Order: sequence, then C-alpha cells, then structure tokens
Amino acid sequence: AQSVTQLDSQVPVFEEAPVELRCNYSSSVSVYLFWYVQYPNQGLQLLLKYLSGSTLVESINGFEAEFNKSQTSFHLRKPSVHISDTAEYFCAVSVLNAGGTSYGKLTFGQGTILTVHP
Amino acid sequence: SAVISQKPSRDICQRGTSLTIQCQVDSQVTMMFWYRQQPGQSLTLIATANQGSEATYESGFVIDKFPISRPNLTFSTLTVSNMSPEDSSIYLCSVAGGAYQPQHFGDGTRLSIL
Repeated sequence: AQSVTQLDSQVPVFEEAPVELRCNYSSSVSVYLFWYVQYPNQGLQLLLKYLSGSTLVESINGFEAEFNKSQTSFHLRKPSVHISDTAEYFCAVSVLNAGGTSYGKLTFGQGTILTVHP
Repeated sequence: SAVISQKPSRDICQRGTSLTIQCQVDSQVTMMFWYRQQPGQSLTLIATANQGSEATYESGFVIDKFPISRPNLTFSTLTVSNMSPEDSSIYLCSVAGGAYQPQHFGDGTRLSIL
C-alpha cells in the first residue's frame, strides 16, 4: 500500500521569504504526484501535478515542485511567498496500474499549514 | 477543468437522522469520488462512484452507512445514514476526466451532528 508523509504540520514564514513544504511518499509501484491547496472554508484546488516527463513542475502562481524518484520525494517550493499564500497544502499520490494509468484513488498526506506573516 | 457544485454547502443535523449530499458536474466525467475530511485531519477516500453499477467502497466504509448513487455521468449523491457526532466532517466530491487526469474537487459539505 502507498503512503504519503508531509514532514511539517505547520510552517510559519515572513512575507517575501522562501518556503519549502516537504513531501515523501512510499509506494512499490509508479505513481502520479499532486499538490493541492485548501484555503479557509474552501474545497481543494489543484496546485500542480507530476505525471511524467520533466521532474520539475511549476504552477501559475510561482510554486514549483520537483519529483525525486531516488528519494521518493515531491517537495513544494516558492522563492518568495505572499500573505495570500496562507493556506493548508496537501501532497497526494495516485498509484498507477500495470497499464500505466491511474486507478484514480488519491492517498493524501496529513497536510501542512503555511502561515505567511507580514 | 470541470465545475463541481455540491449541495448543501453546510448543515447541522440531529443524531440518528440521514442527509443526502448532491454533487453536480458541468460536463460528463468518467470517475467520481467521495472523500471525508474529519476536523483537523487529511482526506480519506470513502468510495468511487461508478456510473451504472455499485460504488466501490474503501476499507472501513460500508454501503449501509454511506449509500451512493451515480445515475449518470454528471451527477452523484452520497447519503450519510444514522448520523452520530463522529460523522461531523467535511464531505467532498471529486471528479476526474479519465485515467491520466488529475482530480478536481468541489467546495465540500460541512456537516455537524448534534
């Protein structure tokens, strides 16, 4: 069975500082990897995804994540955060079947609450 | 990405009652899923809603407690039956357009049981 570990439950940072949210996964088969963001009292929004190809993926709002197969990690980074980035961030994996497609089920990490202070 | 509407957005219910949550998508989707997010916790998959067949439940979730319908490719319902305070959670519907597509989530239904 697969599992996802987000190493930090809370990350406080000051505005314009860099941030890294760590995610490690465990799976005996290939996976797709995702980062979702949940703003207060809202549902989850897809931030970025790794399906194949380049191991560095970027979002439209300045976040990036790098898939590291040898370390089974998918850490999320942003070089300069804004107050509006305050939210909870979830790392998730979807296991691939023998045909290389996803079963669709997502396994989530416990979430990391990012708080950006002025 | 698909636009997902969940109803109700929140509710407060009495112990022992049941509530049906609706999930409507603005386009046909292959896969629909129901998740539970307990207070301060991550998301846990309840079941995969299959069009035209029985839902597939994850370990720890049973059809008698969480019956699911999927009458077509744009709609699904989840019923939380015989509710107890332990059922107080956010229930989220998600959809995926296909095997290579990421899931997109609705805003969730915030359920409190008194």
